[in-house]
Amino acid sequence: GQNIDQPTEMTATEGAIVQINCTYQTSGFNGLFWYQQHAGEAPTFLSYNVLDGLEEKGRFSSFLSRSKGYSYLLLKELQMKDSASYLCAVRSNDYKLSFGAGTTVTVRA
Amino acid sequence: DVKVTQSSRYLVKRTGEKVFLECVQDMDHENMFWYRQDPGLGLRLIYFSYDVKMKEKGDIPEGYSVSREKKERFSLILESASTNQTSMYLCASTSFLGADIEQYFGPGTRLTVT
Repeated sequence: GQNIDQPTEMTATEGAIVQINCTYQTSGFNGLFWYQQHAGEAPTFLSYNVLDGLEEKGRFSSFLSRSKGYSYLLLKELQMKDSASYLCAVRSNDYKLSFGAGTTVTVRA
Repeated sequence: DVKVTQSSRYLVKRTGEKVFLECVQDMDHENMFWYRQDPGLGLRLIYFSYDVKMKEKGDIPEGYSVSREKKERFSLILESASTNQTSMYLCASTSFLGADIEQYFGPGTRLTVT
C-alpha cells in the first residue's frame, strides 16, 4: 500500500516563498507528481520527479530524495492566483497514482 | 489541446437509483482511471483500465463497477446509489509512452445522492 503525507494548510504573503513537503512510504516507486487544484476545478499537472534532485519550472520547483521518501514543492514570488490546493502523488510500477490529501495554500496580500 | 470530458458537472440522484458516469478522452490513451475526491481524504482510486475490456480494482471499488467497451470511453456505474457515495468524481487518462507522463483529468462530476 501507499502512505503519503503532506501538511493540511499553509498561509503565505504575496511575493513570498512557500515550501510544501511531502513524505511517502510506497510499495514500488515510478515517479512523484505535483498537481495544482483550484476550488471546483480538476487537478492540473505541475511537475514530475523520478530521479533525485531539483526540477525547476519557472516560479515552481520540485525536489525529490528517493532514499528519504521525501519531496517538496517550492513556490516562489507568490501571486494571489497561486491560492489553491497542491496534491502530491506517487506513481507505482503499474502506472497507478496514489495521492496525498492535499495542502491548501492561501496567499494573502 | 488534450481533452478529457465527463458527461455531467452536477448530478442529483435518489438512494437506490442506478447511476452512470461517462468519461471520454480524445488522446488515444491506453490507461483510464476513476477517482472520488472527498474533503480531507484526497483523491482515491476506484477503478482503472489498461485497455479495452480490461479493468482493475483500485483502493475503494465496493459499490461501483466500470465498463470500457471502446478505448476512448470509460464508464463508472453505481448499481444502487447510496448517500455515502455523494462525492466529486474525477476521470483521468494517461499513456504508456514515456514522453507523456502525466495524468490528464476531466472537469469532475459532483454527485449528490439524497
